Amino acid sequence: DAGVIQSPRHEVTEMGQEVTLRCKPISGHDYLFWYRQTMMRGLELLIYFNNNVPIDDSGMPEDRFSAKMPNASFSTLKIQPSEPRDSAVYFCASRLAAGELFFGEGSRLTVL
Amino acid sequence: AQKVTQAQTEISVVEKEDVTLDCVYETRDTTYYLFWYKQPPSGELVFLIRRNSFDEQNEISGRYSWNFQKSTSSFNFTITASQVVDSAVYFCALLYNFNKFYFGSGTKLNVKP
Repeated sequence: DAGVIQSPRHEVTEMGQEVTLRCKPISGHDYLFWYRQTMMRGLELLIYFNNNVPIDDSGMPEDRFSAKMPNASFSTLKIQPSEPRDSAVYFCASRLAAGELFFGEGSRLTVL
Repeated sequence: AQKVTQAQTEISVVEKEDVTLDCVYETRDTTYYLFWYKQPPSGELVFLIRRNSFDEQNEISGRYSWNFQKSTSSFNFTITASQVVDSAVYFCALLYNFNKFYFGSGTKLNVKP
């Protein structure tokens, strides 16, 4: 079975540019999470969805970040405009209710 | 408040040694879940085990074993006869409030040949 699929795996962009990260969760999973990992802050929850509806976005750093889940098989995390401090690995994860998190391979973002 | 502490930032062992990774958690919830994840150098996060708060049985899976003790709020992970392929960062995590995962800061394990 396919796991969580993220794209792109690597993104290098310049400050001020828009960045869109994409995620396809495991089929049948009704929860989707976006995490950010940095050396300084570890793994941080940004936002999570239940049945395509955003439930908790309290971890989204600021208005430059937005996330959508238009259907059960696709989600995006957008940063506009990007800044160097947004450089991190962004993970998407999905799960069934009361189940463990299954993570994608991550999208490594570098903002110059 | 919820908290997961992995006090060991980095551990180095020689292949075939046994190693224990410590995890101490804090929560006021009576129902919660604990997890261990492995992050190898390639970067993905791999699920290893889940344990709920009502099940204090220890678990063994091959060379891996987990010791859950509610009395000390600990969920320690032991690798027996470590191998170079075990080199990774290991994260302990607490699931509370049904969907909130709190990850520890991780322990980097270096297994030298």
